[in-house]
Amino acid sequence: KAGVTQTPRYLIKTRGQQVTLSCSPISGHRSVSWYQQTPGQGLQFLFEYFSETQRNKGNFPGRFSGRQFSNSRSEMNVSTLELGDSALYLCASRSGGQGNTEAFFGQGTRLTVV
Amino acid sequence: GQQLNQSPQSMFIQEGEDVSMNCTSSSIFNTWLWYKQDPGEGPVLLIALYKAGELTSNGRLTAQFGITRKDSFLNISASIPSDVGIYFCAGQLLPGSARQLTFGSGTQLTVLP
Repeated sequence: KAGVTQTPRYLIKTRGQQVTLSCSPISGHRSVSWYQQTPGQGLQFLFEYFSETQRNKGNFPGRFSGRQFSNSRSEMNVSTLELGDSALYLCASRSGGQGNTEAFFGQGTRLTVV
Repeated sequence: GQQLNQSPQSMFIQEGEDVSMNCTSSSIFNTWLWYKQDPGEGPVLLIALYKAGELTSNGRLTAQFGITRKDSFLNISASIPSDVGIYFCAGQLLPGSARQLTFGSGTQLTVLP
């Protein structure tokens, strides 16, 4: 069973640009969450998608957005990039039921804003 | 929002020693998860805990869900070099709108030969 796949692994962008990251969850999983990891702030929750709907949102500005497709794949977009957006962006996959379910992470996309 | 305090921040131990790390929260969680992260990789799930008081093992790893629901610990027995990495605790408050994971700041473990 394939794990969580994130693409690309590495990305370098310039301030002011926008970027789109992709996540394919584990087959059969319907929930995808996104997290930002930085040395200063640690792992911070961005948002969760389930069945193409945003179910939960963290405390990030509107420049951070996402979507989920009917095959459960998810994309997140960051517009008007700032230097502080440099981070490892992680996607977590879970089956998505209402009960407690485990979250499995991808390898992440390392975004560098210059 | 919830605050998770994870300690210690870093540990240097000799190979073969046991390790213990813990997390405490200002709020109740109903799920505790422990992850290990290697450099440049995503966190890998080690143990999941779902009930207060639950004690769960996974090989040399043992974790407990505190009875107050506000804390959890992870023990690693007989450490080996491949145990090196950053260990994170994560708590989840409730199903539904609060399903996101709140992470501790991590424990950097170094195992000396």
